[in-house]
Amino acid sequence: ENVLTQSPGTVSLSPGERATLSCRASQSVSSSYFAWYQQKPGQAPRLLIYGVSSRATGIPDRFSGTGSGTDFTLTISRVEPEDFAVYFCQQYGSPPLTFGGGTKVEIK
Amino acid sequence: EVQLVDSGGGLVQPGGSLRLSCAASGSTFSTYNMNWVRQAPGKGLEWVSYISSSDTKYYADSVKGRFTISRDNAKNSLYLQMNSLRAEDTAVYYCARDYGRGGHTYWYFDLWGRGTQVTVSS
Repeated sequence: ENVLTQSPGTVSLSPGERATLSCRASQSVSSSYFAWYQQKPGQAPRLLIYGVSSRATGIPDRFSGTGSGTDFTLTISRVEPEDFAVYFCQQYGSPPLTFGGGTKVEIK
Repeated sequence: EVQLVDSGGGLVQPGGSLRLSCAASGSTFSTYNMNWVRQAPGKGLEWVSYISSSDTKYYADSVKGRFTISRDNAKNSLYLQMNSLRAEDTAVYYCARDYGRGGHTYWYFDLWGRGTQVTVSS
């Protein structure tokens, strides 16, 4: 299976700063089948990005996704207070679909 | 607004069984392709099972032969029957809707329940 490794495990930022979250796949992800989710404590995950760079409905444009092959990035251009959460990447190009272990964005 | 509400979790002994439910609001549940995804304590997410609107089913290797996914469109409900439970099945279980509707599956998830805790321990 395609193992996804997210880095860093935790990033500490102040509101207004830029966040860059990475996800590396053990095998190339086919056809841009890559997504990102946000999860806050006690809440369900929320779809942010699909198809590497397409924002889901209602997701603000400060969230952007880039990447190809084995390296993917989620960028939050200016972190807002409501963005402090855990972020998961997911590949769905080859079965079984797999998720990364998560990156926690915490308040500095 | 469509919502998913998971339920049925609890504490069960190794080798025991549990049935999870996921109730969907709204009238178009029959067109949804649905999944179960779990999250073990302190770990990432793991896809468990899928059922299409036309009843096609898939399972992760880790649960194949032990778990059974099903749906009742008349009740707007999704189920996961879990048998022969093991300690490694301990997790929060989420039902999750595939982005696709009807005959098309996208394999990413645009609506999730809040999860139900399953603990397998003696």
